[in-house]
Amino acid sequence: ETGVTQTPRHLVMGMTNKKSLKCEQHLGHNAMYWYKQSAKKPLELMFVYNFKEQTENNSVPSRFSPECPNSSHLFLHLHTLQPEDSALYLCASSQVQIRGGGEQYFGPGTRLTVT
Amino acid sequence: AQTVTQSQPEMSVQEAETVTLSCTYDTSESDYYLFWYKQPPSRQMILVIRQEAYKQQNATENRFSVNFQKAAKSFSLKISDSQLGDAAMYFCAYRGNQNAGGTSYGKLTFGQGTILTVHP
Repeated sequence: ETGVTQTPRHLVMGMTNKKSLKCEQHLGHNAMYWYKQSAKKPLELMFVYNFKEQTENNSVPSRFSPECPNSSHLFLHLHTLQPEDSALYLCASSQVQIRGGGEQYFGPGTRLTVT
Repeated sequence: AQTVTQSQPEMSVQEAETVTLSCTYDTSESDYYLFWYKQPPSRQMILVIRQEAYKQQNATENRFSVNFQKAAKSFSLKISDSQLGDAAMYFCAYRGNQNAGGTSYGKLTFGQGTILTVHP
């Protein structure tokens, strides 16, 4: 595997279900991110993890719970979601460094549908 | 807070022609980075080009180049010799310098996106 991978690619869940999204980066990066992409809205940053520590939580509802067990893996645990949470969830990683672009590399996304 | 604005929801171009996508941003920081990302129908977000604000020279990557106007806070993307594979949603994004101690550490702020259609 290369780059950033995400599983599953598609997920349909009921509002009472609990599921998890998984992201894995194979780039040796030290920061990972969750973004939400809804129709007709800009990408919204949800969470940032830097060296496994959460450095940003963009006022995300508690029904979304991130977990970063190491610098290569990132999870997004989902429970009691609402239909408006249906969206494409993108994971990204980057190398945090003193100088440099720190470009973020994205995974293919998980298309989530909440019924 | 930083904001990024893409005023063109949709653009179209003939194959082999040139097209320019617009982006403006608002920030109080002096040191930052700007990016253009491409998202084709596969939904995979792909980095197209990067510009560092402290560099006056416009970035270029093959057929892609930018026109960076720091004073005007403008960052447009020019695609030359357009190809069918260039059809995608294009996003402009801003990131503050990670060592600046500012609030935009590691965070990308995206514009709304521009859908580019390439006609054969």
